[in-house]
Amino acid sequence: DGGITQSPKYLFRKEGQNVTLSCEQNLNHDAMYWYRQDPGQGLRLIYYSQIVNDFQKGDIAEGYSVSREKKESFPLTVTSAQKNPTAFYLCASSIDLTRFRPQHFGDGTRLSIL
Amino acid sequence: GENVEQHPSTLSVQEGDSAVIKCTYSDSASNYFPWYKQELGKGPQLIIDIRSNVGEKKDQRIAVTLNKTAKHFSLHITETQPEDSAVYFCAASILFLTTDSWGKLQFGAGTQVVVTP
Repeated sequence: DGGITQSPKYLFRKEGQNVTLSCEQNLNHDAMYWYRQDPGQGLRLIYYSQIVNDFQKGDIAEGYSVSREKKESFPLTVTSAQKNPTAFYLCASSIDLTRFRPQHFGDGTRLSIL
Repeated sequence: GENVEQHPSTLSVQEGDSAVIKCTYSDSASNYFPWYKQELGKGPQLIIDIRSNVGEKKDQRIAVTLNKTAKHFSLHITETQPEDSAVYFCAASILFLTTDSWGKLQFGAGTQVVVTP
């Protein structure tokens, strides 16, 4: 089955530490996205990528970084500059960024601070 | 930018009754409106979507209606079942090829639906 795999499911970060969340897709999708979800709030876009070696900031990119070296992979690093990193992080992909292409989501990584 | 408001935040219904969730959007240029269902500990799953050139769309027990003039769209679930219990998110997007709006979805805050047997 094709899909989006996020790992790990749970992650704990110490103060001052950078952590990297993994996102892999085997859907042959060009576009990939990272969202942050906080309780009682909608999803907010962190970064997105249209193609390999290209990515754009979303609405809340400060304190985060990404890379897109392979079509299948779009890892997100939560840096120590992100002062409130506790949240549920969701990775998504879509065929491309042309019109009417729905996004498919992974099952998320829950990040907590130790 | 686009702002999407979703109501109610929680909705309790008896099994077999209907559930309605309403969203309003601010940007009249938005032309694509998906609905996602998120079960506990899982990612959102697309359940139905509608484009701005259509007023209503149905898929078995779920339907979505769109009122472009009033800038609101609604999700209707009929004959609710316990497995319909989840958080439902609406979203709005402008899907055309400009640098600022490539596939960006603006989400509502979500509605927790609880279906009691």
